[in-house]
Amino acid sequence: AQSVTQLGSHVSVSEGALVLLRCNYSSSVPPYLFWYVQYPNQGLQLLLKYTSAATLVKGINGFEAEFKKSETSFHLTKPSAHMSDAAEYFCAVSEWPQFYFGTGTSLTVIP
Amino acid sequence: DAGVIQSPRHEVTEMGQEVTLRCKPISGHDYLFWYRQTMMRGLELLIYFNNNVPIDDSGMPEDRFSAKMPNASFSTLKIQPSEPRDSAVYFCASSFSTGELFFGEGSRLTVL
Repeated sequence: AQSVTQLGSHVSVSEGALVLLRCNYSSSVPPYLFWYVQYPNQGLQLLLKYTSAATLVKGINGFEAEFKKSETSFHLTKPSAHMSDAAEYFCAVSEWPQFYFGTGTSLTVIP
Repeated sequence: DAGVIQSPRHEVTEMGQEVTLRCKPISGHDYLFWYRQTMMRGLELLIYFNNNVPIDDSGMPEDRFSAKMPNASFSTLKIQPSEPRDSAVYFCASSFSTGELFFGEGSRLTVL
């Protein structure tokens, strides 16, 4: 079975600063990778997904993630944090139809 | 397009009562998943269906939990009898084959 590790259960950044949320997975073959965002009292919403096309994936709201096979990583970044980015972020790996979710990273944006 | 629709959004009940959670998947999606989210255990897959047929229910915690999908546009998750440890947010998600999951807004269950 796959495993997904999200380093840092809580990340705080200042408004306008770089956002970096870390995700490592255990697969030895290129998997399907996803980042989801969850706002309070809402369901998970897809931010972006990697499906073995380009290694740099652009998502919604200015987020992007880079697939690095050698590091088995899929870190999420955003150049400039906005207050509205405060949420819980989940990295996930899919071996269809199984999805393996990380434990989540709570992002706080400080004004 | 309407997303995945879940009801009720909030349910408060007493231990021993029956609870029924409902889900309407996105039209055309052939997979439906039920997840449970808690602070302690994160997101757990309970069961999933393909073309209305239950495929894997190994995540269902115990016999008190049951799920059905009588047609392509409706699924239920039932807990009978409910216990305080069942308190969680229950999510329904749907998908095309090999696609990403589309989640509903969840049903927050509190069992007193």
